[in-house]
Amino acid sequence: DADVTQTPRNRITKTGKRIMLECSQTKGHDRMYWYRQDPGLGLQLIYYSFDVKDINKGEISDGYSVSRQAQAKFSLSLESAIPNQTALYFCATSDGQGYTQYFGPGTRLTVL
Amino acid sequence: AQKITQTQPGMFVQEKEAVTLDCTYDTSDPSYGLFWYKQPSSGEMIFLIYQGSYDQQNATEGRYSLNFQKARKSANLVISASQLGDSAMYFCAMRGGQGGKLIFGQGTELSVKP
Repeated sequence: DADVTQTPRNRITKTGKRIMLECSQTKGHDRMYWYRQDPGLGLQLIYYSFDVKDINKGEISDGYSVSRQAQAKFSLSLESAIPNQTALYFCATSDGQGYTQYFGPGTRLTVL
Repeated sequence: AQKITQTQPGMFVQEKEAVTLDCTYDTSDPSYGLFWYKQPSSGEMIFLIYQGSYDQQNATEGRYSLNFQKARKSANLVISASQLGDSAMYFCAMRGGQGGKLIFGQGTELSVKP
């Protein structure tokens, strides 16, 4: 089984809808991250969490919110989806600031 | 500001040959980490190799090696004996800034020819 899982893997939604992307990990890592990848580009950080009570905004947090329900679960919500949020969304985990980040398989989101 | 630059949008290599993917970085932090990730067409991000700024030796992982030249601020990825399955996007990234986030370059698309 994969160490970092994301659901759904693909999602098509309409402008104005609320949508939640979920991430679960079995690696036992404290740190979790949400990134966004636009076509042909690298990844940009949306939110990150050091533990259940520590959540921080990244560089492109506007229009997004997150919830760390447990050490192993970190959800990303789009409160009112818009077309330019169409992208590939990745969850990642690491065992500390100095360590490698391991990515989930990604969620491909299309907002019509 | 911290920045990663990958100047090769696309590269071709013949199967079984070696290829070097370029990466330069900019940071004022004395402590940093450099990573390479592979993204095949299926979309996942696969960790390949890591180099710490204080590491004395170049990192190696199987067919992957990282040519780390600190004075030149470069961290090139060398893939030896290319295979068809190496065809993918390759991203160089640097750990830095907020919470240890990764700062990514634009990527290099590698195509391996039979």
